Amino acid sequence: NAGVMQNPRHLVRRRGQEARLRCSPVKGHSHVYWYRQLPEEGLKFMVYLQKENIIDESGMPKERFSAEFPKEGPSILRIQQVVRGDSAAYFCASSPLLAGRGETQYFGPGTRLLVL
Amino acid sequence: DQQVKQNSPSLSVQEGRISILNCDYTNSMFDYFLWYKKYPAEGPTFLISISSIKDKNEDGRFTVFLNKSAKHLSLHIVPSQPGDSAVYFCAAQPGSARQLTFGSGTQLTVLP
Repeated sequence: NAGVMQNPRHLVRRRGQEARLRCSPVKGHSHVYWYRQLPEEGLKFMVYLQKENIIDESGMPKERFSAEFPKEGPSILRIQQVVRGDSAAYFCASSPLLAGRGETQYFGPGTRLLVL
Repeated sequence: DQQVKQNSPSLSVQEGRISILNCDYTNSMFDYFLWYKKYPAEGPTFLISISSIKDKNEDGRFTVFLNKSAKHLSLHIVPSQPGDSAVYFCAAQPGSARQLTFGSGTQLTVLP
């Protein structure tokens, strides 16, 4: 299965702890996107990364959230000092290099974060 | 400010009949539109897309129609099958950026 991989699939944290979500894109894809889905809502864009670069983080909260996509290894979405409102499903998507306008993004199965 | 709207939270259709899911958008900068299907506890699965230079795109049982003047698109599934029961999301992408803007989804139930 060469699809987008995310782990863990489920993550439980207590308020104030850190959450680290990992995403391995489709092999050969160099664009990674993170989206968040709150209950009963659609997915909301958070951040767009290419290898070693954050291209657009306009959807990511300014505090406590950070993302990276290193040269080697998966993309990481990091949430520091989690609060109950961070409970959501976090989806990663990837698309290939040199995709032009109108590219299709392929999604992983998501990480469901529950903050107690 | 919802730029992509799916006004029907749910839709029930008899097996074998046509399912029509609707989506409206407000941002005239959107020039690429996609439909995704999502099962519980899974990620969205890409179904079909359409560029703003077209008004129709067909792939097997799935057809997407785009009416740019009305800022409206629809997904037709015919014939509908019980396995099509899922949440369907409409998404849009502007030419100037890569991120997708999603609607809130429509739960489709196909009754056997």
